[in-house]
Amino acid sequence: GNSVTQMEGPVTLSEEAFLTINCTYTATGYPSLFWYVQYPGEGLQLLLKATKADDKGSNKGFEATYRKETTSFHLEKGSVQVSDSAVYFCALINNYGQNFVFGPGTRLSVLP
Amino acid sequence: DAGVTQSPTHLIKTRGQQVTLRCSPKSGHDTVSWYQQALGQGPQFIFQYYEEEERQRGNFPDRFSGHQFPNYSSELNVNALLLGDSALYLCASSSRGQDTEAFFGQGTRLTVV
Repeated sequence: GNSVTQMEGPVTLSEEAFLTINCTYTATGYPSLFWYVQYPGEGLQLLLKATKADDKGSNKGFEATYRKETTSFHLEKGSVQVSDSAVYFCALINNYGQNFVFGPGTRLSVLP
Repeated sequence: DAGVTQSPTHLIKTRGQQVTLRCSPKSGHDTVSWYQQALGQGPQFIFQYYEEEERQRGNFPDRFSGHQFPNYSSELNVNALLLGDSALYLCASSSRGQDTEAFFGQGTRLTVV
């Protein structure tokens, strides 16, 4: 079946530090890959996505590249801010009309 | 555009009771999916509705049921509530065949006591 694994949190960084959150997946076919962000007390917001191999998704300084050979979609940001503190979910959707499969989430705390 | 709207935002129910959660999809969307997010975990797929029918279902018991109305809005019903049903319930809407363009609502926080 389809599954998503992401690095355990929490991750604590100082402001302006480099961020990497690892995500790997197992899926049949060619899934689309996503990073969602959840701020305290809120729902899910799409951060970025990539729909085919070697695509790079980017938004608000965050980037992730769809690596089919390593089945990975690692999230990176060159310089984090306190406002980036949230829980980040890696997810996939496979084929037409299918549902999202989410990873367990990684909590990021950025200290000033 | 109001996006995906869920109601209520918070709810407290007693074990054994029944609850109904509501979702209005984003304008132009015809497909609604429901997810359960337990505390500290990722969302888990419950079911998806399109053309007023349940099209897919995740690994949830029959106590979880739903409905979609002609205006594409949807309800999630949970019967015989258990303490373990306490969670954030998220609704996502999309257009059929464009699941990669799904939008999520803010969720309903259900607490079962």
